[in-house]
Amino acid sequence: GAVVSQHPSWVICKSGTSVKIECRSLDFQATTMFWYRQFPKQSLMLMATSNEGSKATYEQGVEKDKFLINHASLTLSTLTVTSAHPEDSSFYICSAWKSTGANVLTFGAGSRLTVL
Amino acid sequence: KQEVTQIPAALSVPEGENLVLNCSFTDSAIYNLQWFRQDPGKGLTSLLLIQSSQREQTSGRLNASLDKSSGRSTLYIAASQPGDSATYLCAVLNNDMRFGAGTRLTVKP
Repeated sequence: GAVVSQHPSWVICKSGTSVKIECRSLDFQATTMFWYRQFPKQSLMLMATSNEGSKATYEQGVEKDKFLINHASLTLSTLTVTSAHPEDSSFYICSAWKSTGANVLTFGAGSRLTVL
Repeated sequence: KQEVTQIPAALSVPEGENLVLNCSFTDSAIYNLQWFRQDPGKGLTSLLLIQSSQREQTSGRLNASLDKSSGRSTLYIAASQPGDSATYLCAVLNNDMRFGAGTRLTVKP
């Protein structure tokens, strides 16, 4: 089956620092990956669509200079939260779309970011 | 832009009851619809996946239906148990996956 690994599962950082979250498809190639953010007691909101070898497409209201997405290979996408602030504290989940086969997204386990 | 709505937002039932969660979406051009469960502070657990050509899927006490033309899906939970308490999310996939706000279910012993 398709497996997506997300790392780290949780991170605590100081305000002003940058944090990188990795999303890897372990046993399949993913030309497209999606990044979601979930604030407490709210649903998952799509932040951006990450396409291998090209620039990410950001949803309205998501700052592309603050949330840097790099999808340099077919198995890895990274989300970097730059100059993190407490309001960036959230649960970040990635998902990967298998290039071939059924149209199904596989989700990572999520990364909980706490900015002090 | 696809919009997904779930009702009710919260539901509390006594153990043993059968219940129905509702999901509606605005764009019927979907590849599939998926129901997830999310426990507090945890990631997503996929429950049922219904392809656009299907009308329902069943797994144990769970049954999900899909009426693509009307933009609706229901998740039926039979004989609810306290362990079913969680937030249930509906999501539809076309060019990306969009989630509803979820239904927070509490099953009381």
